[in-house]
Amino acid sequence: SAVISQKPSRDICQRGTSLTIQCQVDSQVTMMFWYRQQPGQSLTLIATANQGSEATYESGFVIDKFPISRPNLTFSTLTVSNMSPEDSSIYLCSVAGSSYEQYFGPGTRLTVT
Amino acid sequence: AQTVTQSQPEMSVQEAETVTLSCTYDTSESNYYLFWYKQPPSRQMILVIRQEAYKQQNATENRFSVNFQKAAKSFSLKISDSQLGDTAMYFCAFMNPLYGGATNKLIFGTGTLLAVQP
Repeated sequence: SAVISQKPSRDICQRGTSLTIQCQVDSQVTMMFWYRQQPGQSLTLIATANQGSEATYESGFVIDKFPISRPNLTFSTLTVSNMSPEDSSIYLCSVAGSSYEQYFGPGTRLTVT
Repeated sequence: AQTVTQSQPEMSVQEAETVTLSCTYDTSESNYYLFWYKQPPSRQMILVIRQEAYKQQNATENRFSVNFQKAAKSFSLKISDSQLGDTAMYFCAFMNPLYGGATNKLIFGTGTLLAVQP
């Protein structure tokens, strides 16, 4: 399985600002995913990021709010823009394994005040 | 649309005993994958076990095994010889691979919080 790291591990931000979350993988992967986990809730897919193409966003998530970059096969960023308290969540990146499973990073806990 | 249901928000088990977590799903597809993930209080999601729908044999991984009932659309997780380190939130997840598509989306249930008591 891949080893995935995320930065920052947590942050407290003021409303109206933006935060960029980094996801680094120790091996080259084609598909990377970004999820949101609101307090006490399950995981919801934000978007799928393939290297060399635009990210594919799920219903309810838009590129202006959650721009994603995927510059190479080991790295991706998710930006949470113009934040509000409702954006307070854990944001997780994951990568696709060889048999359709996904491996997750440790998450970024975001609090918006 | 595919959905995943976990009807047990919380469960408790004594150390060394066996516990079964329930999961049902709804799909019209015949080819799909099912997973159980564990999220300890440290929040790192860990893959516990996976099952391919076209395989009749139930998957096992050490103390973890599944009871996959395709006709009933049921996918329960059995944890044998429970250990304190098994305390975590457990999520059931479904994935229908889109051949040639751009995404292999995981759909998660709402989770079951398992507490292993000493």
